[in-house]
Amino acid sequence: ETGVTQSPTHLIKTRGQQVTLRCSSQSGHNTVSWYQQALGQGPQFIFQYYREEENGRGNFPPRFSGLQFPNYSSELNVNALELDDSALYLCASSSTSGGRETQYFGPGTRLLVL
Amino acid sequence: AQRVTQPEKLLSVFKGAPVELKCNYSYSGSPELFWYVQYSRQRLQLLLRHISRESIKGFTADLNKGETSFHLKKPFAQEEDSAMYYCALIILTGGGNKLTFGTGTQLKVEL
Repeated sequence: ETGVTQSPTHLIKTRGQQVTLRCSSQSGHNTVSWYQQALGQGPQFIFQYYREEENGRGNFPPRFSGLQFPNYSSELNVNALELDDSALYLCASSSTSGGRETQYFGPGTRLLVL
Repeated sequence: AQRVTQPEKLLSVFKGAPVELKCNYSYSGSPELFWYVQYSRQRLQLLLRHISRESIKGFTADLNKGETSFHLKKPFAQEEDSAMYYCALIILTGGGNKLTFGTGTQLKVEL
């Protein structure tokens, strides 16, 4: 069983650019959630995808968008980057067993916006 | 709206001393609570969940609905327990099951 992987590990962009972050789910998981973790803060929920459909969204603007593919891997896209978008972006995959969900996290992508 | 509060940013204890990491939550329904841990240079990983009522690496946590707390405890701290600990709750809704995290407590176990 392979764990959640994310790419790239680090990324530097300038304000106004667009970025795409990628996530491969843990084997057997059909749900992917994305979180933003600013320095010194806990992760903040961006959105969740279940079977290729958005299945819930946190308090993030529409310039944060995502996709989930048939193999359950996922992308997070951020348009018109702002300095405050600098953060660690975490992907978590999950499945539900016995009515209970457990989310397993990837190592994260650290984004710096200059 | 749901909220998780971890009042201590840093907790420093000596090896062998008891540990208690505090977590309080606010949520009108019945939440499911978790403790996640992040060791140095490692990914965030699940430590325990209140539903399981288990002890992991000597840690336990009891949900107190009256005090809306889910404190993490260990009777004797070990050096390898030094890490960042996050308390989180999950709300099971029809619109996605999102984890709401606290700001985390850095546990430092000194020799």
